Order: sequence, then structure tokens, then C-alpha cells
Amino acid sequence: EPEVTQTPSHQVTQMGQEVILRCVPISNHLYFYWYRQILGQKVEFLVSFYNNEISEKSEIFDDQFSVERPDGSNFTLKIRSTKLEDSAMYFCASAGLAGTREFFGPGTRLTVL
Amino acid sequence: AQRVTQPEKLLSVFKGAPVELKCNYSYSGSPELFWYVQYSRQRLQLLLRHISRESIKGFTADLNKGETSFHLKKPFAQEEDSAMYYCALSSTQGGSEKLVFGKGTKLTVNP
Repeated sequence: EPEVTQTPSHQVTQMGQEVILRCVPISNHLYFYWYRQILGQKVEFLVSFYNNEISEKSEIFDDQFSVERPDGSNFTLKIRSTKLEDSAMYFCASAGLAGTREFFGPGTRLTVL
Repeated sequence: AQRVTQPEKLLSVFKGAPVELKCNYSYSGSPELFWYVQYSRQRLQLLLRHISRESIKGFTADLNKGETSFHLKKPFAQEEDSAMYYCALSSTQGGSEKLVFGKGTKLTVNP
């Protein structure tokens, strides 16, 4: 079965630095998502992306966050100036059609020091 | 407001015992409910969705609109069922379809 991949698996950064989390969705999927999970808390929706634009973003997804699909295969999440509270597991997901199951990547653990 | 509640953070049973993981939801519309499972060091995987009405790995879940519940059940738990279980609903409020998750229940099946 095809899988969503994410790199890196673990990213450590200093507060204030920019990070880019990378995802390769399943190749024929059209809908892309980022979720995050702070340690001990629930998985939270960040942003959805369809047709090369953001469909919806949550309150968490402020101006420090951006997403991009630069080359038709990668789907990236950029955090411009990381804060301590951005430390979390970040999951990428993709879906073929609206209303179909979302396939999740393995996650990137971001640690902000 | 859309919300998924999993009241049990931890659940521990013995092998062969029945198990029920509780999930309640709040959603102003016709909900679509899912159970996702995350085994140790693995990714979130879809276990089952209510519209499929299927049984996966012996697990079933019935949507009860009256009680706004979608509890996950298995009559005889196995050690390999030990994992984190997340109940989620698919929400279109806000403009796009996305998943709203509960906090998860860690199931431990003891030998």
C-alpha cells in the first residue's frame, strides 16, 4: 500500500529559528493536511490544502506558519520563527477525494530549545 | 461546537477479556466517525469508519446518534491490540473537510 512519508523524523532547533518540515503525500492524492500533537495532548488540525491553496486553517496556524507544494510532489510546512510551544509531533496526511480516508505520515518530532 | 471526548486516558484489560473504548462526540450536523489506531512507534492508521459498518481485527463500533456515541468494542482482546486509540470525526465546518480527534485512550492488554 502506498504511504505518506515525512522528513526528518526528528528536528531539533533553537528558538527563533526557521524550520521546514517535509512531506511526500501519496502520488495521486489531492487533499493535504498538517496536524500536530503536543506531548500528552490530542492531535490537532493545523491546515488543509487543495488545488494549490489553503482550504482552511486553524487558530494555531498563525502568521508564523506557511505551507507550500513547491514541485507537485512535496508538501512542506514552514515555521518562520519557532517558539518553545511549537515543540510537538507534526503529522502530514493526504486524501484522494473529499470524504475519503486520510492517510497519515509517520510524523516529525520537532523540539525547540 | 465540534468535539470528540474519550473519557478514559488509560485502559488495561487481560487477554481474552472484552474491551470497550468510549467515544462521545458533539457535532451540529450529520457526523462521520472514525477510529484510528497508533501502535508503538508506528503511524496513525485508520481502524474503521462508521459508514463502512465493518469489523476490523475483531473490532466493531456502532454510531448511536441518540447518545452521540461511537464506542469501540472487541469481545476478546489480544496482546497485539495494545496501542493508542483515537476517535475522530470528520468535520466540514470551517470550509474544508478535516478530522477532529479525541485525546486518545491507551489500551494495554496484559497476558
